[in-house]
Amino acid sequence: EAQVTQNPRYLITVTGKKLTVTCSQNMNHEYMSWYRQDPGLGLRQIYYSMNVEVTDKGDVPEGYKVSRKEKRNFPLILESPSPNQTSLYFCASSLGFHQPQHFGDGTRLSIL
Amino acid sequence: DAKTTQPPSMDCAEGRAANLPCNHSTISGNEYVYWYRQIHSQGPQYIIHGLKNNETNEMASLIITEDRKSSTLILPHATLRDTAVYYCIVRTNTGNQFYFGTGTSLTVIP
Repeated sequence: EAQVTQNPRYLITVTGKKLTVTCSQNMNHEYMSWYRQDPGLGLRQIYYSMNVEVTDKGDVPEGYKVSRKEKRNFPLILESPSPNQTSLYFCASSLGFHQPQHFGDGTRLSIL
Repeated sequence: DAKTTQPPSMDCAEGRAANLPCNHSTISGNEYVYWYRQIHSQGPQYIIHGLKNNETNEMASLIITEDRKSSTLILPHATLRDTAVYYCIVRTNTGNQFYFGTGTSLTVIP
């Protein structure tokens, strides 16, 4: 089954403790992206990747890192999480930039 | 500055057509318009996209004005399961990014 898988689905952690949210897709997609969703602000793009080893900043990249060492994986790294990064996060992938994006089920992060 | 403008909420009677408008007056000539929807806090679901011509698929129709500054998503026979937040999306002008905005919350009423 074609899918985008995010882990973990839920996480409660404390300020400053490094965490990684994994994202994996099994569709051989080139374009992958991370979004965060906050009440009243809709979905905002954090980082995106056009292909392996090619990543770039979206609208709200501060406090986040990503890597794209393999085509299927696009982890989101919070080196020193802060409470303002408490949010619902979505990973998405598409065959190419102009193709429909497939979204994961989301990861709800709470930073205390 | 907003790339898309949508009404925050709309209602539609079950069985009737739902027409969701979107303004994207700064769209460039080679940028597509995409529509997604999100039910509760699930991952957004792709509906349809288009460049210049009107498009139709099994879910919806997309009408794009001739000047491409606005578009309308049409759900021909809305059902209760179509209650969701609908996002009209264009590519930003600063790179290969997408601007989702805050969308339109559509409520289908029995």
